[in-house]
Amino acid sequence: NAGVTQTPKFQVLKTGQSMTLQCAQDMNHNSMYWYRQDPGMGLRLIYYSASEGTTDKGEVPNGYNVSRLNKREFSLRLESAAPSQTSVYFCAHRGGLGSYNSPLHFGNGTRLTVT
Amino acid sequence: GQQVMQIPQYQHVQEGEDFTTYCNSSTTLSNIQWYKQRPGGHPVFLIQLVKSGEVKKQKRLTFQFGEAKKNSSLHITATQTTDVGTYFCALKPGGTSYGKLTFGQGTILTVHP
Repeated sequence: NAGVTQTPKFQVLKTGQSMTLQCAQDMNHNSMYWYRQDPGMGLRLIYYSASEGTTDKGEVPNGYNVSRLNKREFSLRLESAAPSQTSVYFCAHRGGLGSYNSPLHFGNGTRLTVT
Repeated sequence: GQQVMQIPQYQHVQEGEDFTTYCNSSTTLSNIQWYKQRPGGHPVFLIQLVKSGEVKKQKRLTFQFGEAKKNSSLHITATQTTDVGTYFCALKPGGTSYGKLTFGQGTILTVHP
């Protein structure tokens, strides 16, 4: 799927549990993103990484941490899950020539439920 | 901060009818992208508009960028059941970090055969 592998596909957590969502792209792109999607809210940016070793907050970063250890992988961690974090999470990447205007390539998403 | 309004939130049409979704920004945009998400799927890039007043077509889809680069529209002529899904605009406001791409709330299109 557009060179993006996102795991897991589904996850159920209890309040207070932690987990890491994994994302890997094989297109050698610089920029990677984490979005969450909730009904009626569209896609909201959690964190993004313009290049290896750099990360920046998006619109809704609270309760999340990210790690960009190499160019290929960008992980999203929930340290203490809350029911408000029940959502569909999408990883995306973009880059290449003219990456300033290049399109986003999305993974298949992770459907997370926090009870 | 950046305000993005995408309307309508929902649109139900009969197959063969036209459909339009609008995206409005409170600030001038560098560019705007449009994505489609099929039910249960992930967003897929459709097109990007960069120039003031730009119009682009993809078969039955027509995309427009406003003269002031603050609004955009996606028009589908003679909808088909395959057009079902959610259509999103995504934009990068002028002067902001190139990395931040903000999405509209989306328009959910339902097509009745």
